[in-house]
Amino acid sequence: ILMTQSPATLSVSPGERATLSCRANQSVGSDLAWYQQKPGQAPRLLISGASTRASGIPARFSGSGSGTEFTLTISSLQSEDFAVYYCHQYYKWPMYSFGQGTKLDIK
Amino acid sequence: EVQLVQSGAEMKKPGETLKISCKGSGYDFTDSWIGWVRQMPGKGLEWMGTIYPGDSDARYAPSFQGQVIISVDKSITTAYLQWSSLKASDTAIYYCARHFPYGDLRAWGQGTLVTVSS
Repeated sequence: ILMTQSPATLSVSPGERATLSCRANQSVGSDLAWYQQKPGQAPRLLISGASTRASGIPARFSGSGSGTEFTLTISSLQSEDFAVYYCHQYYKWPMYSFGQGTKLDIK
Repeated sequence: EVQLVQSGAEMKKPGETLKISCKGSGYDFTDSWIGWVRQMPGKGLEWMGTIYPGDSDARYAPSFQGQVIISVDKSITTAYLQWSSLKASDTAIYYCARHFPYGDLRAWGQGTLVTVSS
């Protein structure tokens, strides 16, 4: 399953809202996760089941969508949120696949 | 606390062999799978394959089938990723991650940097 994220880079000011998109080339139901990766660190699970925040993830992170279209929204960007975000489908196990990532930059 | 601790950075020459490790702790090592993810320099995440420690059942992504071997020793709660003949294009960070079938990657190792250069 091919996962496509857009945009590749998103420039947003602190305090503003960021909206990241992920599209699958076939339905993955709600079997979609989002990860955050900061430089020099391993990815961290943010959202699973398309919309369920992982343990310890702040409420400003929210996920939505099902089927082939998904969105990650960060409601009010904090300085620590500037990172690369990846979507991941786990519908077709064990042939998992990731999107190519969206880099969230400080504007 | 669930932890996956990976072996340290490696610097190898083309054609050499390598085996890196991922040790799990803080959970029942046989209740879930251990997957491997490649991240080439400045690039995104690529799924390589996964293994079930309970019976060593390994599954590979098509791009990595025949290129690497995923194994496990459940007696020491450690999974492995190995190469028989490294190439410069194997230069990357390799992550292990715990998951359930049809599940997210909820715990990650810290990554192992593999550098292959003559």
